Amino acid sequence: EAGVAQSPRYKIIEKRQSVAFWCNPISGHATLYWYQQILGQGPKLLIQFQNNGVVDDSQLPKDRFSAERLKGVDSTLKIQPAKLEDSAVYLCASSRGKGTLNTEAFFGQGTRLTVV
Amino acid sequence: DAKTTQPNSMESNEEEPVHLPCNHSTISGTDYIHWYRQLPSQGPEYVIHGLTSNVNNRMASLAIAEDRKSSTLILHRATLRDAAVYYCILRPYPSGSARQLTFGSGTQLTVLP
Repeated sequence: EAGVAQSPRYKIIEKRQSVAFWCNPISGHATLYWYQQILGQGPKLLIQFQNNGVVDDSQLPKDRFSAERLKGVDSTLKIQPAKLEDSAVYLCASSRGKGTLNTEAFFGQGTRLTVV
Repeated sequence: DAKTTQPNSMESNEEEPVHLPCNHSTISGTDYIHWYRQLPSQGPEYVIHGLTSNVNNRMASLAIAEDRKSSTLILHRATLRDAAVYYCILRPYPSGSARQLTFGSGTQLTVLP
């Protein structure tokens, strides 16, 4: 079974530029998560999708972050404009879905973003 | 969300058992106890989960206190590859809460050769 794929692995941008991250979840997984992990901290949930609908985006800074999951499969997370404090690893994860007992989440390797 | 408390760091010698504690005194009856670990430069990976009974799998064992207010992840024979940050997480089932996979700061496990 292929895992969660993310790209790019690394990205360096200047502040005020825009950037996009891409995630391809495990086939058949209805739930998709985007997390932000700042160095030395645990991952923080930014947004959760169930199929192509948003379940929770309460911690997403909506003035600069946006995410979509068209057709309920792949997802993109965008930051525009980026700030220095956005430097972090952005992790995508997927799981079978809400209401199932098998709720194990599978994570990608993440995209390390550096804003200079 | 119910909160978990873990030590910031622990050390273990290679090939010895490791007991990683987690306190969750405000756990509710529908919360499952999940453990994930994060190896250096990797995304978190699932380790084990349980509700009331102790659980075993190929990676680890999970011992849950009778009152469910604490649990312990047991690595029976630590290897250098087990050096990671271990997260104890409470997840409700059925999944009514969207924010159901909330990470704390975890325990950094160092394995000494």
